[in-house]
Amino acid sequence: GAVVSQHPSRVICKSGTSVKIECRSLDFQATTMFWYRQFPKKSLMLMATSNEGSKATYEQGVEKDKFLINHASLTLSTLTVTSAHPEDSSFYICSARVGRPSDYEQYFGPGTRLTVT
Amino acid sequence: RKEVEQDPGPFNVPEGATVAFNCTYSNSASQSFFWYRQDCRKEPKLLMSVYSSGNEDGRFTAQLNRASQYISLLIRDSKLSDSATYLCVVSMFSGGYNKLIFGAGTRLAVHP
Repeated sequence: GAVVSQHPSRVICKSGTSVKIECRSLDFQATTMFWYRQFPKKSLMLMATSNEGSKATYEQGVEKDKFLINHASLTLSTLTVTSAHPEDSSFYICSARVGRPSDYEQYFGPGTRLTVT
Repeated sequence: RKEVEQDPGPFNVPEGATVAFNCTYSNSASQSFFWYRQDCRKEPKLLMSVYSSGNEDGRFTAQLNRASQYISLLIRDSKLSDSATYLCVVSMFSGGYNKLIFGAGTRLAVHP
């Protein structure tokens, strides 16, 4: 099956710093990538949807200036958490989709656990 | 009201037991339906799609009732390895994309 990687798998940073998380589709070209956030014992919440070469579409309530998404190529998307605060500590998961916007199948990365101290 | 609601559990069952999970969704425009499995601190993995006619995959049976906006998952002959969180997921076309909406999950613990 399709493989999606994320790096780093775990990161601890100090409050006020920025953290970049990479999401790569390893064996396919992803037309669309999605970024999710999951708090403990809560559901995955979609943060934003991005297509290669265009601006990301953010979900309601997600600050685009705080969560910067760059979709540089068909195999790489990055999420930068700027000026991180302890409340940003969460499990961040990306997924990638190949195909049309109406297709629903997504391949998930293994997630990045962010802890802000 | 949450878009996808599930009983959080946990369901603690012995090996060999049959266990059923329920889920309701609020948006009648939801198009496709799934059960995902998520192990602790891991990404979700697709367990099976759910169809109105009902579908079975080994020990797992899923059912969809569009009229009552209700989805179920039945696990027969539970194994220790079934211990995980089961996520009810619906897809919806919104903003130009088909998006997945996740429930918070139902935790299953199978004990010897």
